[in-house]
Amino acid sequence: NAGVMQNPRHLVRRRGQEARLRCSPMKGHSHVYWYRQLPEEGLKFMVYLQKENIIDESGMPKERFSAEFPKEGPSILRIQQVVRGDSAAYFCASSGGTQYFGPGTRLLVL
Amino acid sequence: AQKITQTQPGMFVQEKEAVTLDCTYDTSDPSYGLFWYKQPSSGEMIFLIYQGSYDQQNATEGRYSLNFQKARKSANLVISASQLGDSAMYFCAMREGTSGTYKYIFGTGTRLKVLA
Repeated sequence: NAGVMQNPRHLVRRRGQEARLRCSPMKGHSHVYWYRQLPEEGLKFMVYLQKENIIDESGMPKERFSAEFPKEGPSILRIQQVVRGDSAAYFCASSGGTQYFGPGTRLLVL
Repeated sequence: AQKITQTQPGMFVQEKEAVTLDCTYDTSDPSYGLFWYKQPSSGEMIFLIYQGSYDQQNATEGRYSLNFQKARKSANLVISASQLGDSAMYFCAMREGTSGTYKYIFGTGTRLKVLA
């Protein structure tokens, strides 16, 4: 499968824990975008990364959220000290011009 | 101001009929791209169709076509011969910027229900 990979598909965390979401782009793509989708809402842009470089993080909350895309390995979206409002679907997309999306990670904060 | 506007929160269509989902956009860039994605109840985002701002002809992909009216800044999705499996959320998106700095903006979506 040469598509965008995300794991885990479902993640349950208690308030105050950390959530780590992983994304491997399509083969040949070096650009990764992260989006958040609240129930019954559209996609909200969070961050755009290239390998070892954050291009645009204008959609990232200032606190508790961080993202990286190391030279080797997947892109990681990290949410520290999760709160119930972080419960959402988090989508990663990779782009070579057209964005292709991963299956998403459904985060549930108890 | 909204950069991508989808004014129809919900639409119904009879099976085998055609349906048009509206999308208008706002940009001052001469070069941009327009996309439609389908999100079924299972949650994944599926790329359907792309139209470049310089493309002379409307894009088509099977039963999907994009009615691109540049002067009106509209990029409506037309689904012909609707099927029950077309029931889903549909998102319009616009790409701005240049390669290496692309930014994608999504509309709020239209929920399509195909009736048997």
